[in-house]
Amino acid sequence: AQSVTQLDSQVPVFEEAPVELRCNYSSSVSVYLFWYVQYPNQGLQLLLKYLSGSTLVKGINGFEAEFNKSQTSFHLRKPSVHISDTAEYFCAVSDRGSARQLTFGSGTQLTVLP
Amino acid sequence: DAGVIQSPRHEVTEMGQEVTLRCKPISGHNSLFWYRQTMMRGLELLIYFNNNVPIDDSGMPEDRFSAKMPNASFSTLKIQPSEPRDSAVYFCASSSDRAVDQPQHFGDGTRLSIL
Repeated sequence: AQSVTQLDSQVPVFEEAPVELRCNYSSSVSVYLFWYVQYPNQGLQLLLKYLSGSTLVKGINGFEAEFNKSQTSFHLRKPSVHISDTAEYFCAVSDRGSARQLTFGSGTQLTVLP
Repeated sequence: DAGVIQSPRHEVTEMGQEVTLRCKPISGHNSLFWYRQTMMRGLELLIYFNNNVPIDDSGMPEDRFSAKMPNASFSTLKIQPSEPRDSAVYFCASSSDRAVDQPQHFGDGTRLSIL
């Protein structure tokens, strides 16, 4: 079984500032890692995924995440945020052997202030 | 490409009524998931189908909830009788297991309010 911890429930940040949303996971097996974004009144959209290879993964809208196996972390970063990045962000993990099921974190609400 | 389609987008009904939520997965996807999202409990997996067969329904809250997938292009989630605590946003997601790294694609959800 896996678990995901998103350490910050809310992150306010000013426009054009950098941001990091933290995610730690726990698993006894190898995993795939994902970040999803949810805009108001919409479903979840995939931002990026880590499957294997380079630990730095680039996604849509200028976001990137780094997989750190020793720290079991998969933090999401953006060097300069826009008002339009205001949304809820979910980290998720799946077992490589049974990748159909995702375990989600509790989410981080990113609010970009003008 | 058409994404995952859910209907209705909003449903308001009185306690005790039957509620049916519908989902059309992406064509060619053979796994389908129902989730419930609330402020208190976050995103919870209710049930997961693979090739139209329920694989894991351990997240279904109680006997009032039931889900079916009669064919590869349609699934329903039914609540009977409904209660105010069932108020939430219900999401359907689908994926293909042809490649194990395929992510889930989500619909826009059904916002359910039980009065």
